Amino acid sequence: DGGITQSPKYLFRKEGQNVTLSCEQNLNHDAMYWYRQDPGQGLRLIYYSQIVNDFQKGDIAEGYSVSREKKESFPLTVTSAQKNPTAFYLCASSATGGKLSGANVLTFGAGSRLTVL
Amino acid sequence: AQTVTQSQPEMSVQEAETVTLSCTYDTSENNYYLFWYKQPPSRQMILVIRQEAYKQQNATENRFSVNFQKAAKSFSLKISDSQLGDTAMYFCAFMKHSNTGTASKLTFGTGTRLQVTL
Repeated sequence: DGGITQSPKYLFRKEGQNVTLSCEQNLNHDAMYWYRQDPGQGLRLIYYSQIVNDFQKGDIAEGYSVSREKKESFPLTVTSAQKNPTAFYLCASSATGGKLSGANVLTFGAGSRLTVL
Repeated sequence: AQTVTQSQPEMSVQEAETVTLSCTYDTSENNYYLFWYKQPPSRQMILVIRQEAYKQQNATENRFSVNFQKAAKSFSLKISDSQLGDTAMYFCAFMKHSNTGTASKLTFGTGTRLQVTL
């Protein structure tokens, strides 16, 4: 079945450590996204990528980094520079193509919960 | 920049009744898309309904329908014949249309927590 796989589902980190969250999709989507979800704040965009080897900062990119070496993969690294990293992280992907049916509809993974100890 | 506002943090509805969730947005764009996503306790985000701004007809998906008022920048979601499985957080979201066909950002509201009761 096509979909998005995020791993790990739960992750614990000590202060000062970098951690990487994995996101893999087999939907053949060009675009991929990372969102952060905190209670009462909805989802906020961290980074997004339109094509391989290209990505743009979202609204809260500070303290995070990404790479897009393969179409299927868009890992997110939470660095020690992120002051409050405890949150729920959601990866998503979408087809592109303007007004085509299904284009621009984001499909989400099941999420990763990061807790800083 | 676009903003999306959901002014109802929590709502409750009895099973089989109808409920309407409100959403307003602010944009200077003329071509864009609006979405309602559902997030049940599993936290999986699920698309409920999608509306293209250039279409005047309101989108419907089974028991879910929208009231899209472009001039008022309003996009409410109506759930008919509510079911216990509709209990979830509901997020309204905005995406501007890209003339180049590339990806655009999806901007979310803060959500409305809906509880369906017996």
